[in-house]
Amino acid sequence: SAVISQKPSRDICQRGTSLTIQCQVDSQVTMMFWYRQQPGQSLTLIATANQGSEATYESGFVIDKFPISRPNLTFSTLTVSNMSPEDSSIYLCSVEGENRARNTGELFFGEGSRLTVL
Amino acid sequence: DAKTTQPPSMDCAEGRAANLPCNHSTISGNEYVYWYRQIHSQGPQYIIHGLKNNETNEMASLIITEDRKSSTLILPHATLRDTAVYYCIVRLHPADGGYNKLIFGAGTRLAVHP
Repeated sequence: SAVISQKPSRDICQRGTSLTIQCQVDSQVTMMFWYRQQPGQSLTLIATANQGSEATYESGFVIDKFPISRPNLTFSTLTVSNMSPEDSSIYLCSVEGENRARNTGELFFGEGSRLTVL
Repeated sequence: DAKTTQPPSMDCAEGRAANLPCNHSTISGNEYVYWYRQIHSQGPQYIIHGLKNNETNEMASLIITEDRKSSTLILPHATLRDTAVYYCIVRLHPADGGYNKLIFGAGTRLAVHP
């Protein structure tokens, strides 16, 4: 298994500002994923972040709005830039299991960062 | 787009079996069926997965039809703590070289009541 810590767990931000969310994993992982969950909705994948390469963004998400860093195999950040109230969501970090050949193929999720934009 | 269809909500009495259906009529031959759940204010949690055989673990059982176009997640003795949103997802297994991202659909909101 993998233990994932996200910071901040929640925050209230002003319109037009930016916030960086951190994701720390207790083991080295190749692939990390960032999801958004808007109020009352399912999870939507924002991007996939591999160490040493640029993040791959899903349709509807762009790097200028959601820049991602992946400096090493245990850490990643997601920045929500120039925030508006529509960005109020829970942002979740997810990682694959350590042993891709033998594990269940499950992904592990952090508890999420609840962001409210006023 | 999600490749699965689930009922938006279901109810179950505590102690009874909860049977959650999922349709995945466009599933390809090497795609697995995965089930996750999300308890309120928590990140999603893996439950079980399968390819074509029925599977059972300490949490649940997964029944996949012979044509693989649908499946049922069974919680044999539901408790109040099983109240959650349950997601059925089809994807390639990473051991088969599959890209590991999960695409979530709307899921089924299961309410277990006393």
